Amino acid sequence: AQRVTQPEKLLSVFKGAPVELKCNYSYSGSPELFWYVQYSRQRLQLLLRHISRESIKGFTADLNKGETSFHLKKPFAQEEDSAMYYCALISYNTDKLIFGTGTRLQVFP
Amino acid sequence: NAGVTQTPKFQVLKTGQSMTLQCAQDMNHNSMYWYRQDPGMGLRLIYYSASEGTTDKGEVPNGYNVSRLNKREFSLRLESAAPSQTSVYFCASRSQGTDTQYFGPGTRLTVL
Repeated sequence: AQRVTQPEKLLSVFKGAPVELKCNYSYSGSPELFWYVQYSRQRLQLLLRHISRESIKGFTADLNKGETSFHLKKPFAQEEDSAMYYCALISYNTDKLIFGTGTRLQVFP
Repeated sequence: NAGVTQTPKFQVLKTGQSMTLQCAQDMNHNSMYWYRQDPGMGLRLIYYSASEGTTDKGEVPNGYNVSRLNKREFSLRLESAAPSQTSVYFCASRSQGTDTQYFGPGTRLTVL
């Protein structure tokens, strides 16, 4: 079964601390994975995708096929990073995005 | 471009009432989606439409119907609302050949 698991509902850190939001997946084949972010009172938007191997707003995510993980990391959290983060994978045979349950990141000053 | 727009932004219904949530996109995207967002459940796909004239069930279609009126518009209808349908509803669209979905601002629905 295709599934995305985000084990943490809430992650709280202080400004300047490192952040790692965990994401594990189950998928037969080569997955296409994404991180979406939803800031307070804003719409959901794409943060980054693994295929681009890019860093957005200081965040990076590496696909680890051995551990079936796609954790989101940032070395120094900022208060403006506080948001809801969703990991997702695309199911190519059905053209659907499968979302995890989300992790709320709180960054305290 | 407005991107993906949704109306209404907020709605309160009584059990058994019906209503239609509207979604429109001006990006000429082929695929459109309806999700519901609930605490602890993430986003769950209700219905999607890969192209004009086609619709398919997602993960949680029961109690909903959809219409892909044209390429721009994809509406979600609740025929007889139930308290379990209290949620935030998001519409999204995607262009063929890309992976990125663009989301609307959401509709917060409360069913009493």
